[in-house]
Amino acid sequence: GESVGLHLPTLSVQEGDNSIINCAYSNSASDYFIWYKQESGKGPQFIIDIRSNMDKRQGQRVTVLLNKTVKHLSLQIAATQPGDSAVYFCAENYSGGYNKLIFGAGTRLAVHP
Amino acid sequence: DTEVTQTPKHLVMGMTNKKSLKCEQHMGHRAMYWYKQKAKKPPELMFVYSYEKLSINESVPSRFSPECPNSSLLNLHLHALQPEDSALYLCASSQEEVDILLFGSGTRLTVV
Repeated sequence: GESVGLHLPTLSVQEGDNSIINCAYSNSASDYFIWYKQESGKGPQFIIDIRSNMDKRQGQRVTVLLNKTVKHLSLQIAATQPGDSAVYFCAENYSGGYNKLIFGAGTRLAVHP
Repeated sequence: DTEVTQTPKHLVMGMTNKKSLKCEQHMGHRAMYWYKQKAKKPPELMFVYSYEKLSINESVPSRFSPECPNSSLLNLHLHALQPEDSALYLCASSQEEVDILLFGSGTRLTVV
């Protein structure tokens, strides 16, 4: 389940289950979105991106859904593995004249065997 | 070479010291970035360079001074920092603006 508090929100799942990580973005003008994975001691690693002219994009074991009406993004990970344990950030950008990739608060995914 | 390389990986400095963080990429990317990340927080944008020119400064204090000597290198000069400036400093690059950012592993900075 999820827990929110002084620490990062955490999503705990069993190995093999599907995971869904949610993100609310702030700027209605944002038209480019990226999901990053950050493991301890490392920089953020690109997972998947989506532009605002799409509402769904699939990669290997991952799917990103975009709902512009409610400014919501989700990342779905199929058959979650222990190696998926990390902090996941959504990030938004606006192509209309400035290049500022702004990160959301992040969610920690904990995968249990 | 498909990496962003940051040096040093760890740095401890006193409040009166001057030090520099270095970032290098050889992918021909035209935009380079500095982000600051505190523990359990998302990366926060500090500076953006586009075609070797500073295009965004997110109201960063002047004790942080960026420099882009050429299209492959990005430096962050540090002077008179405070303990609250201790953080992970991340460099990133992208081929074009509004594109996928590729991050380095960061420099873990501790100010004592």
